Amino acid sequence: SQKIEQNSEALNIQEGKTATLTCNYTNYSPAYLQWYRQDPGRGPVFLLLIRENEKEKRKERLKVTFDTTLKQSLFHITASQPADSATYLCALADNAGNNRKLIWGLGTSLAVNP
Amino acid sequence: GAGVSQSPRYKVAKRGQDVALRCDPISGHVSLFWYQQALGQGPEFLTYFQNEAQLDKSGLPSDRFFAERPEGSVSTLKIQRTQQEDSAVYLCASSISGTSGNEQFFGPGTRLTVL
Repeated sequence: SQKIEQNSEALNIQEGKTATLTCNYTNYSPAYLQWYRQDPGRGPVFLLLIRENEKEKRKERLKVTFDTTLKQSLFHITASQPADSATYLCALADNAGNNRKLIWGLGTSLAVNP
Repeated sequence: GAGVSQSPRYKVAKRGQDVALRCDPISGHVSLFWYQQALGQGPEFLTYFQNEAQLDKSGLPSDRFFAERPEGSVSTLKIQRTQQEDSAVYLCASSISGTSGNEQFFGPGTRLTVL
């Protein structure tokens, strides 16, 4: 069956450390993968996109990697801050679809402690 | 406008009632998406518009769900004869063009509670 899995347990880290979140997928061929942040009571906010032919993308303190052999994307936040505390969602667009429909993971809750 | 807006923010309906949820996308954005998000879950795709054309409605859970975007801007998601399992947050998102891979801008959502 097709599925997207993210760290099921909430992640608690100390301020200043690097947070690493995992997104694994099964039986999809992603054209690209996106990462979003969602705060309580709000809609998701786009962070980064990585395409199937890319290995790594960076934006300020954020880094995303994409390994199509392992069927996995890793999302890193370096020098984490309490303001980074939120739920992080990965979403992919399947090559078998129209590439506009996003299929989402359940999200991983991150808490950065001061 | 500055961002995607949705109204109402909260809606309580009695089982069997019809509801209409409105989405105002960012002005000029070609693509518009509707998602359903249950508590503790990721968003689930419902439907997609490119301008006024509904190009994908494969995620609509039943024929009680209907969406429209008649002039290619504002969109309405209508749910007829609401059921308790329809209780969720309904998110609207827009993106600037019709090509794939664009950033989606989300509204705050409408929280629907069906009693």
